[in-house]
Amino acid sequence: AQSVTQPDIHITVSEGASLELRCNYSYGATPYLFWYVQSPGQGLQLLLKYFSGDTLVQGIKGFEAEFKRSQSSFNLRKPSVHWSDAAEYFCAVGPPGAGSYQLTFGKGTKLSVIP
Amino acid sequence: SAVISQKPSRDICQRGTSLTIQCQVDSQVTMMFWYRQQPGQSLTLIATANQGSEATYESGFVIDKFPISRPNLTFSTLTVSNMSPEDSSIYLCSVGVGGANTEAFFGQGTRLTVV
Repeated sequence: AQSVTQPDIHITVSEGASLELRCNYSYGATPYLFWYVQSPGQGLQLLLKYFSGDTLVQGIKGFEAEFKRSQSSFNLRKPSVHWSDAAEYFCAVGPPGAGSYQLTFGKGTKLSVIP
Repeated sequence: SAVISQKPSRDICQRGTSLTIQCQVDSQVTMMFWYRQQPGQSLTLIATANQGSEATYESGFVIDKFPISRPNLTFSTLTVSNMSPEDSSIYLCSVGVGGANTEAFFGQGTRLTVV
């Protein structure tokens, strides 16, 4: 069965510092890969997605993620964190060909930003 | 894109009662999905709601507990029946627009507390 592991439950960074959130997955084939952000009281917003092609994916709000097939990883990065980035971040996988449907999510990483 | 409205946004319910959550989309969509987010846990897919047919439930979820209606292409309901405190979660509606290679949009969720 597919699974997604986000090993860091909570991360705290200073504003302006760089950020990397880790995501590893277990899947029979290369899945579709996603990062979502959930701000308090809000629904999930898609940051970026990987279906195929270039393994470095650019997303909204200055985020990027790199797919590494050999490591089954899809880590999210941002060079300089802003206080408004404080939120919970979810990595998700979906069956190839089914796109964004029927996603399997990790448990999330809560990001706190120190001014 | 799609804008999703969920009602209610939150509720506190007595054990043994039922709650129906509504999901309204501003455009016609083929597939709608219901997820559950238990405290401190990841999102888990409950079922896929297809217009004109029975919902498809994931392992561990049954129709008697989570009956779903899908009367048209813009609306769905999820009922949480005979509630217990273990049902306290955030329930989210999701839709996919435009085929496989597309973004899944999420409602803001319904925060349910069962006492």
